[in-house]
Amino acid sequence: QVQLQESGPGLVKPWGTLSLTCAVSGDSISRTHFWTWVRQPPGKGLEWIGEVSYSGTVKYNPSLKSRVTISMEKSKNHFSLDLKSVTAADTAVYYCARMMIRFQGMPDWGQGTPVIVTS
Amino acid sequence: QTVVTQEPSVTVSPGGTVILTCASSSGVVTSSNSPNWFQQKPGQPPRALIYGATNRHSWTPVRFSGSLLGVRAALAVSGVQPEDEADYYCLLYCGGLWVFGGGTKLAVL
Repeated sequence: QVQLQESGPGLVKPWGTLSLTCAVSGDSISRTHFWTWVRQPPGKGLEWIGEVSYSGTVKYNPSLKSRVTISMEKSKNHFSLDLKSVTAADTAVYYCARMMIRFQGMPDWGQGTPVIVTS
Repeated sequence: QTVVTQEPSVTVSPGGTVILTCASSSGVVTSSNSPNWFQQKPGQPPRALIYGATNRHSWTPVRFSGSLLGVRAALAVSGVQPEDEADYYCLLYCGGLWVFGGGTKLAVL
């Protein structure tokens, strides 16, 4: 049973960088699957931020591409999200999730971590 | 970038049947878009229900079924239960990227 757990600062200053980590247990991030970040602003819908594949290939939401970096730390079996130049619009609950290979769905999610952008 | 559209809100009576839909600004939704459906209740992460348009996860109740309906993807819920009241999101694979729909708030009244 795979488990994902987000961690990182709950408060980030405007124009700073939001940095989160997703620790994975029960699976190796370098073995298979696509490791994904999703966010949800308060009272709003889900937004796909991007993913890093087991081989290190990254894909990003075009609306965030200029500000986002997703990376993986194989030795620690975790992957990370960096979002720079944040504004209040980046206030959200951030989720990490596992997208299965061969389009077998996204069954595994972390509990989510709230991030507030505030001075 | 593709925009994925869902009904903002739908109301159904307990025991009834409801169909939620998911449309793409890029055109017809097909199996190549690998539609996924998620259920989300307040304060919880999304729970995956359907993948690949029609496939249930092992935990998905059989009253939930996915399909391709005309130009859209669809999620049907039959014999609706009070606990089905939630937000429902579709997710489509478009041009090598994933795009969520805006979500449908399902009220069971």
